[in-house]
Amino acid sequence: DSGVTQTPKHLITATGQRVTLRCSPRSGDLSVYWYQQSLDQGLQFLIQYYNGEERAKGNILERFSAQQFPDLHSELNLSSLELGDSALYFCASSVQGTNEQFFGPGTRLTVL
Amino acid sequence: GENVEQHPSTLSVQEGDSAVIKCTYSDSASNYFPWYKQELGKRPQLIIDIRSNVGEKKDQRIAVTLNKTAKHFSLHITETQPEDSAVYFCAASRNDMRFGAGTRLTVKP
Repeated sequence: DSGVTQTPKHLITATGQRVTLRCSPRSGDLSVYWYQQSLDQGLQFLIQYYNGEERAKGNILERFSAQQFPDLHSELNLSSLELGDSALYFCASSVQGTNEQFFGPGTRLTVL
Repeated sequence: GENVEQHPSTLSVQEGDSAVIKCTYSDSASNYFPWYKQELGKRPQLIIDIRSNVGEKKDQRIAVTLNKTAKHFSLHITETQPEDSAVYFCAASRNDMRFGAGTRLTVKP
């Protein structure tokens, strides 16, 4: 157990809908990262937050947005969902001053 | 931005043999190079990492080497065991982290 938690574990929804994925970092970690992993694919970096502020952006679609709250938990919002958005979504957190990232268990999103 | 290439995409070895996975990166400013192991449906788990001021690091059966000049780094697993079977990802990081496409390692008993 890495100490990073994600909810829900599984999410099944329909095209066009909107969902919110939640991540709580390890105690003391200020950075949160979001990744998308499609079937048999690598990890695509989406976005990073550090202490509430957006720090880096990767291949995140305009339909997706994220935020980090004062208690450091983060939410990833996915809207106007398409079939191709079906994937595992991981968040990771890291200690201030290091790049070492610890991953949560992931949320498996299925869009029907 | 950073681009990480990883080879091979699949690797099959006999139990007890060694396995080597290679990665190249594009951003010479990257300074942190972790390796993750991911079993089916599970989270990626950090198995070893190396920073740009070090050329080699070893942890029991696992070692990583880094050639900053050539911008490539490699994972070496010796005396492979069936439980080493998984997908392995390399990554390179300066601020954000970019991952290679992964190598599916199969260790045959």
